[in-house]
Amino acid sequence: EPEVTQTPSHQVTQMGQEVILRCVPISNHLYFYWYRQILGQKVEFLVSFYNNEISEKSEIFDDQFSVERPDGSNFTLKIRSTKLEDSAMYFCASKWGVGGNTIYFGEGSWLTVV
Amino acid sequence: AQKVTQAQTEISVVEKEDVTLDCVYETRDTTYYLFWYKQPPSGELVFLIRRNSFDEQNEISGRYSWNFQKSTSSFNFTITASQVVDSAVYFCALSGLTSYGKLTFGQGTILTVHP
Repeated sequence: EPEVTQTPSHQVTQMGQEVILRCVPISNHLYFYWYRQILGQKVEFLVSFYNNEISEKSEIFDDQFSVERPDGSNFTLKIRSTKLEDSAMYFCASKWGVGGNTIYFGEGSWLTVV
Repeated sequence: AQKVTQAQTEISVVEKEDVTLDCVYETRDTTYYLFWYKQPPSGELVFLIRRNSFDEQNEISGRYSWNFQKSTSSFNFTITASQVVDSAVYFCALSGLTSYGKLTFGQGTILTVHP
């Protein structure tokens, strides 16, 4: 069964460092997302990406964050200068089409900022 | 704005008991989609079920069933004959037709099934 894959599964970084989280969405999917889950809290939407551009972003997704689809398969989330409060599980997700198609999530990348 | 409320923070049951997880939502969209996801201790988010707002037929899938009631904006999820492997955090989520698939999640309900 096709799945969303994410790397790394866990990364520890020092405050102020740049981090890139990588994702390979399901191959025929057109919509891509990043979500965040701070430990013990609910899952929060960060950004959606369609047709090679951001379609929607939340207030969490400030100038420190960026997304990119550098080739036909990878979808990356970059945090330019990490803060302690960026420590969270980051989920990549994708779906095939518009409307209510199911969104499938990767296994998550756990980011710890020290 | 969309909102999902899962009032039950934690539920504890003994194996083989039935358990119902509550979800209440708010949206201004006339067409929307409701989901349940499971997050086991390993951390991943596993899709369980999806329901369209224009289809209120309730269904059963194996040990899972759901009760969607538009009149009360509720989308409750029931596990029949619970098993220890059902222990996880369960999230209810909502997506509007007009969004690009942005999901609004509830706070989650921690389900613990004891042997």
